[in-house]
Amino acid sequence: DTAVSQTPKYLVTQMGNDKSIKCEQNLGHDTMYWYKQDSKKFLKIMFSYNNKELIINETVPNRFSPKSPDKAHLNLHINSLELGDSAVYFCASSQNSPLNTGELFFGEGSRLTVL
Amino acid sequence: AQSVAQPEDQVNVAEGNPLTVKCTYSVSGNPYLFWYVQYPNRGLQFLLKYITGDNLVKGSYGFEAEFNKSQTSFHLKKPSALVSDSALYFCAVRDTNRDDKIIFGKGTRLHILP
Repeated sequence: DTAVSQTPKYLVTQMGNDKSIKCEQNLGHDTMYWYKQDSKKFLKIMFSYNNKELIINETVPNRFSPKSPDKAHLNLHINSLELGDSAVYFCASSQNSPLNTGELFFGEGSRLTVL
Repeated sequence: AQSVAQPEDQVNVAEGNPLTVKCTYSVSGNPYLFWYVQYPNRGLQFLLKYITGDNLVKGSYGFEAEFNKSQTSFHLKKPSALVSDSALYFCAVRDTNRDDKIIFGKGTRLHILP
């Protein structure tokens, strides 16, 4: 039973389209994240939600909109896709509390290719 | 602002030899430090962490890392490398004086030569 699961694993689409990536975690964690990994393998945090509340919002174009319907789910919707959005998007979760030091558990990634 | 540096893009080691992958960090408060490994077309997997206590921490697959506060380093080590250790390794830091953001280094590709 996968701990952090993302769908779809691969996504190929045209510029200008709108697409969504879904993420679910069954670890009971209270914090979820979206990271972007570019072609050079750099990992950059995009968003973080804690108990459905946005707590980290890095400098990301507002074409990217995260949504957390409950603390086990964090979806990413991208409007008007651009070539530069091509990357692998990783969802992650952690349990951040005084007793837990919050290491991240990652999904397998969603590879987005914009043509 | 917190940051983490991995000075080597790639490290080549012969199988059976000891390996070291370097990491230095900068934070305003006390650091939480992590190492992750990424195999091709996979997500990152947690290897080990330093929070407090013993400077030498042991993790998965025989890896260990040494926290050095004066040198602000957290190098990853293994006494005897395996070909299956070949992967991309990321060092990460969380600044306990700031939000819960975990920042990653740019990654070091480890090649273990048979």
